[in-house]
Amino acid sequence: DAKTTQPNSMESNEEEPVHLPCNHSTISGTDYIHWYRQLPSQGPEYVIHGLTSNVNNRMASLAIAEDRKSSTLILHRATLRDAAVYYCILRDPYNQGGKLIFGQGTELSVKP
Amino acid sequence: KAGVTQTPRYLIKTRGQQVTLSCSPISGHRSVSWYQQTPGQGLQFLFEYFSETQRNKGNFPGRFSGRQFSNSRSEMNVSTLELGDSALYLCASSLEGGTGVGGYTFGSGTRLTVV
Repeated sequence: DAKTTQPNSMESNEEEPVHLPCNHSTISGTDYIHWYRQLPSQGPEYVIHGLTSNVNNRMASLAIAEDRKSSTLILHRATLRDAAVYYCILRDPYNQGGKLIFGQGTELSVKP
Repeated sequence: KAGVTQTPRYLIKTRGQQVTLSCSPISGHRSVSWYQQTPGQGLQFLFEYFSETQRNKGNFPGRFSGRQFSNSRSEMNVSTLELGDSALYLCASSLEGGTGVGGYTFGSGTRLTVV
């Protein structure tokens, strides 16, 4: 199973952009890059996913390196409600089905 | 629309007993997955069901089992409970299941404490 590496923790100021990095040097051609976040006392929440191109949705943007060995989740304006653990996950739907392999994630704290 | 519903929210059981947890997916979702979350091991995949068939299984002992009904609702069962089974058990549902590329929607989990 492909692995990802993320910093254990990051800090941000409210209303500033946040860039959460993820390294996945062993990514295969059929791996999709997924991001989930888990707020305190809740289940994980899907944020965004991509394969090769950068992706945007109402929650965040996903920037994928050209060689796909790293990616960055971008929160454009952090709010206090964005404080959570963010997980970067590689998922190959053809070979691992719905199995999500969670690492330790990055704990993001947001200061007012 | 209603999210993923897990019942009960909290449960206390004694070592050696068995427990059944329930998950109702989002209406129309046919894939249901189960995860165990502990402070030491983090989030670990248990199994995935799609249209009543188990499609994927994690590395857990046979005491952990599950099933899915024709209405996509799922249950997981843990027999002969051990103290180490104390955890937050999370259920997630998806429209397409394993071969789809979309995201999964998680419930808030069932907190199981084994004493």
